[in-house]
Amino acid sequence: DAGVTQSPTHLIKTRGQQVTLRCSPKSGHDTVSWYQQALGQGPQFIFQYYEEEERQRGNFPDRFSGHQFPNYSSELNVNALLLGDSALYLCASSSTWTSGISYNEQFFGPGTRLTVL
Amino acid sequence: GQQLNQSPQSMFIQEGEDVSMNCTSSSIFNTWLWYKQDPGEGPVLLIALYKAGELTSNGRLTAQFGITRKDSFLNISASIPSDVGIYFCAGARSRDDKIIFGKGTRLHILP
Repeated sequence: DAGVTQSPTHLIKTRGQQVTLRCSPKSGHDTVSWYQQALGQGPQFIFQYYEEEERQRGNFPDRFSGHQFPNYSSELNVNALLLGDSALYLCASSSTWTSGISYNEQFFGPGTRLTVL
Repeated sequence: GQQLNQSPQSMFIQEGEDVSMNCTSSSIFNTWLWYKQDPGEGPVLLIALYKAGELTSNGRLTAQFGITRKDSFLNISASIPSDVGIYFCAGARSRDDKIIFGKGTRLHILP
């Protein structure tokens, strides 16, 4: 049973560029959440996707956008990169009950380490 | 915004010792989660708590959901070298709400 997978594992970009990170959820999961983890900090919630729509959003600017595909995989896009965007970007997947309420038991991928120069 | 305060920030213990760490919030959470993160990896869920006062164990790990709903505790008994890592508490106001993470407790085991 494959867990959450993310690609690429590492990425180096320069300021002003755009980046796309990818995530495949754990088998049987339909909800994907994205987090930013700065060095020495806990993960910070960016947004969550369910049924191909953004369901919740944290306190991140519009430069951060996402997408979920019919197979539940997801992308995180960041435009106009800033030095402060350098971080580990984590994807987490979970299941949503038929009532629309999701479990909080999220399973994380290994992350993508983004360095902005 | 909501914040979770974890303590201690770091711990240095001898192998075999018991470990206690806690997490407090200024607001009520209805879900508490404990994760462990090893270097270069994503957090791994250890224990999930959904009811105030709940005490749940996972092997040598035991976590409690505080009765006030503003705190949670994690205990590790008889620590072993593989317990080294960063432990994060996380909370959510409801099962469909976003998860807020603490800053982590870094556990070191002295040789």
